[in-house]
Amino acid sequence: NAGVTQTPKFQVLKTGQSMTLQCAQDMNHNSMYWYRQDPGMGLRLIYYSASEGTTDKGEVPNGYNVSRLNKREFSLRLESAAPSQTSVYFCASSDQNYGYTFGSGTRLTVV
Amino acid sequence: GENVEQHPSTLSVQEGDSAVIKCTYSDSASNYFPWYKQELGKGPQLIIDIRSNVGEKKDQRIAVTLNKTAKHFSLHITETQPEDSAVYFCAASIQSGTYKYIFGTGTRLKVLA
Repeated sequence: NAGVTQTPKFQVLKTGQSMTLQCAQDMNHNSMYWYRQDPGMGLRLIYYSASEGTTDKGEVPNGYNVSRLNKREFSLRLESAAPSQTSVYFCASSDQNYGYTFGSGTRLTVV
Repeated sequence: GENVEQHPSTLSVQEGDSAVIKCTYSDSASNYFPWYKQELGKGPQLIIDIRSNVGEKKDQRIAVTLNKTAKHFSLHITETQPEDSAVYFCAASIQSGTYKYIFGTGTRLKVLA
């Protein structure tokens, strides 16, 4: 009963490096989301996928790309990391109009 | 744009007392209001939710109230325990059909033993 699994849990990048954050859910949910969490700013939506095959921008999409690989997996890519992208990243999934199930997060530091 | 304001940002209560966290939303089309609890080093976890056709919902020691006219909703925790210490987030749905939410900035609750 894993729910939403995110990898890696921690990552340190140098400015300009690229990386992909992985997310997988085993609840057969249609919708998946990527949020970032910064102190004092709550959770802000980066990208979301309402259903397999679709992706849309959220509130703060600049500097990120996403791929909905299949119904289970939704990845977030940083092409050229910047210090402003230092944050905790959460993946979430949901089905219909119910609350999200969140993963445990990826703590990313860009130096 | 849509906005959710959450107050207070920090709250300290004695064990056994009640705690109240308040949120205000701006989008009159919002119809679903979940509350999340986030413990240190973990992802947020849904603890209770309410829909726009209901004014109040209770689940053991926690309750949520909604005033659609004033665009206010609140989380009430009674008989607080040390394990209630965490960060609590409110959220409001936006853009019907996409299941997107906008979150408040969080309330750090400390229950003092």
